[in-house]
Order: sequence, then structure tokens, then C-alpha cells
Amino acid sequence: QLQLQESGPGLVKPSETLSLTCTVSGGSISSILDYWGWIRQPPGKGLEWIGSIYSSGSAFYNPSLRSRVTVSVDTSRNQFSLKMTSVTAADTAMYFCARHGGYCSGGTCFYPSGEFDSWGQGSLVTVSS
Amino acid sequence: SYVLTQPPSVSVAPGKTASITCGGDNIGLKNVHWYQQKSGQAPVQVISYDTDRPSAIPKRISGFNAGNTATLTISGAEAGDEADYYCQVWDSSRDQVVFGGGTKLTVL
Repeated sequence: QLQLQESGPGLVKPSETLSLTCTVSGGSISSILDYWGWIRQPPGKGLEWIGSIYSSGSAFYNPSLRSRVTVSVDTSRNQFSLKMTSVTAADTAMYFCARHGGYCSGGTCFYPSGEFDSWGQGSLVTVSS
Repeated sequence: SYVLTQPPSVSVAPGKTASITCGGDNIGLKNVHWYQQKSGQAPVQVISYDTDRPSAIPKRISGFNAGNTATLTISGAEAGDEADYYCQVWDSSRDQVVFGGGTKLTVL
């Protein structure tokens, strides 16, 4: 059974960089049918997509966060990561990683248009001095 | 950008049917996915591609999508169905995932 687990600091200072890693077990991050995504949820609020990446390194980002966000993949460790720069209190949230289905054809995927079908339990990140 | 509109809250009596709507411009032309999030837990996919239900999700949960509204229907509502429900689509015009604002379902 596929499992995802987020890890990283729970407290980040304003203006610094938030870094999280998602470790995938029970499946391969190199799957030709899957993207891998990050979603966040501020306390008491709804879900916000951050970005998703394919094993090739092709990534898609939320336009409102693109200037501050980088998602990367490490196939050798079966992990993918999130970096968000210049954080503020507004970035305080539960951060989830998830497997993200894509539009795929001919052995490759073109964009992450599908569902998030497996989620990590989430990692709470607080931005505060 | 593409906007998905959900009612903030829906109430249903035990054993009755709840309908949660997700409105969007010509949403019937898009694939809609639905998630259930219970308090303090990660979301769980309950419907994908408008109507597909994972094997672990009971048959009394169903989806429909046409025109400007997608609908998640929960029949025979139970206390365990109390949760926040989110719809999600892919906005191909901006290459981005869009979530609805979420609907809190209360089983009275």
C-alpha cells in the first residue's frame, strides 16, 4: 500500500526558506503514470494547491506562488521536496504531500490533471520569529 | 482564474440524502474530483472523474457533473459522514489545480 510521509522543521522564521520532504514507500516515485504534489491548508481554512512534479523533473506550480516555490524530485531516495522562499505568517499551514494523477499517453505524462489519490498525514509549519 | 463555488455548509438528517454542489463556468466540460476531510485528518478521495468511486468508498456516495454544476450526493447519511468536502478540477487555461472553498456537512 502506498504511503507518503512529510518531514521538515515545524517552525520557520519570517523571510526565511521553508523546506519539506515527502518520502514515498510502497511504490515508486518513478512511476510513469503519476505526478507528486504539495497542497497546504491554513488553520481553519480550505485547501490550496502549491505544485506538482513528474519523475522527469517537469513541474507545474500555482501561479500565485510560482515566484517563491520550487518542487524537486530525488528518484534515488524515492522522495520529492518543497522549498518556499521569503515566508511570512500567511504561509503558516498544514502542508500535505500526495500522489497526483496525470494525463498520460504513450508511456509519459503531460500534465497533472487528475486526482490526489493518496495523501500524507500532513506537516504543520508555523512561521514566527 | 477559474473559480469553484461551494456552499459553506449543508445539513442533513440521519438516513436522508445530502447534496453538495460545486459550481463553475461550464464545469461539465471538466473532470471533477471530490475529497472528504474529517476533523484533524488528511483529505481522502471519495470521487474521481465526476463519478468514479474508489473501492473503499461506499456506494451511497456518488457524483454527477453537467452544465455549470457538479454534485456530490450522500445517501442514507450517517454520523460518520460529518466532514468537510472539497471539489477539485484542473484549469487547463492556466495549467493549475483549483479547489473549491469546501462545504461542511453536518448530520443532525
